[in-house]
Amino acid sequence: GENVEQHPSTLSVQEGDSAVIKCTYSDSASNYFPWYKQELGKRPQLIIDIRSNVGEKKDQRIAVTLNKTAKHFSLHITETQPEDSAVYFCAAEPGGGATNKLIFGTGTLLAIQP
Amino acid sequence: ETGVTQTPRHLVMGMTNKKSLKCEQHLGHNAMYWYKQSAKKPLELMFVYNFKEQTENNSVPSRFSPECPNSSHLFLHLHTLQPEDSALYLCASRPTENTEAFFGQGTRLTVV
Repeated sequence: GENVEQHPSTLSVQEGDSAVIKCTYSDSASNYFPWYKQELGKRPQLIIDIRSNVGEKKDQRIAVTLNKTAKHFSLHITETQPEDSAVYFCAAEPGGGATNKLIFGTGTLLAIQP
Repeated sequence: ETGVTQTPRHLVMGMTNKKSLKCEQHLGHNAMYWYKQSAKKPLELMFVYNFKEQTENNSVPSRFSPECPNSSHLFLHLHTLQPEDSALYLCASRPTENTEAFFGQGTRLTVV
């Protein structure tokens, strides 16, 4: 089955700097890759997603890149702000049939230092 | 609010108790999920329901028993749990594959 690995597990950056979180997946048929943000005590919420027919997607300070050949995708946050502090999860949706499920990575705790 | 509601928000139960978690969505979504969130495995998929039919059981122990009576409701029946089952149980729903999943706020379960 699909396996998603996420690195790093913790990341501390200075306010205003950029943060990058990387994920790899094992199922080459996977075709949908969302990123979720979970603030302390709150539910995970989607911040950006990318599908396998696109290599990059950007939404203001957030961007995601996908390398299908290498089976990895990354989240990029520029000009980080204190409110970006949270746990970030990547996920992959296995392909090859009506599985309709999301497999999540182990999460990255991002801390923005003022 | 995401439109996915879970009750109760907190639950403390003994190892011999029987309890149920409830999840409700009126978003018209066709897929519903149970995830377990703990320090060891942050977002572990447990069960998947598509159009009320269970399509995935991720090797979950039988002391967890899901039920999906209709496309808007999902239950997780609990019996004879172990302390290591203490975790946050999250329900999610989405319209179909390759779309955003909406999470409920979770039930914080403590087994004593």
